[in-house]
Amino acid sequence: ETGVTQTPRHLVMGMTNKKSLKCEQHLGHNAMYWYKQSAKKPLELMFVYSLEERVENNSVPSRFSPECPNSSHLFLHLHTLQPEDSALYLCASSQAETGTGANVLTFGAGSRLTVL
Amino acid sequence: AQKITQTQPGMFVQEKEAVTLDCTYDTSDPSYGLFWYKQPSSGEMIFLIYQGSYDQQNATEGRYSLNFQKARKSANLVISASQLGDSAMYFCAMRGGTDKLIFGTGTRLQVFP
Repeated sequence: ETGVTQTPRHLVMGMTNKKSLKCEQHLGHNAMYWYKQSAKKPLELMFVYSLEERVENNSVPSRFSPECPNSSHLFLHLHTLQPEDSALYLCASSQAETGTGANVLTFGAGSRLTVL
Repeated sequence: AQKITQTQPGMFVQEKEAVTLDCTYDTSDPSYGLFWYKQPSSGEMIFLIYQGSYDQQNATEGRYSLNFQKARKSANLVISASQLGDSAMYFCAMRGGTDKLIFGTGTRLQVFP
């Protein structure tokens, strides 16, 4: 496989469930990102991992727990979510770089999460 | 603080016509990058075009061009010769000194025959 692959593509869970979203990239990138996309709102950056270290945690509630075991894999562990957490969760990867530059983020197709 | 503004929630264009999608930005960083992404109904964000703040010429990629007006802080996307497959959401984004990529709210483009 090539690019950025996200699984599952669709997930329905109750508020008491525990589930995980998985992201895998085959591009040789060393930075990975989780974004949340809700209806009629800009994409919200949740977490950034650069060289397998978390470098950004954008005031995300603790019911979202990221894990980056290596530069190719990124997980988002979910527990005791709320209905307002229903959204499209997008994973992206890029080359790690400080400052500005044309290091383009490559996105996966997203995981559509519905919390009942 | 950095901010991206897309004021057009939706746009319509006839096939083979050109269309301009507006984007304005705000940043205090002297060096920054501007991006446009396309998101079809499948959900994947597809990179279209990049413009660096110090680039002298407007960026072009095939049918896509970026009308960069630095003094006005605008970075409009121009799509020439629209195709039915161009129907999608389009997002403007910016990366400044913090290396965080922030997005606007998007414009839904619909191309009709």
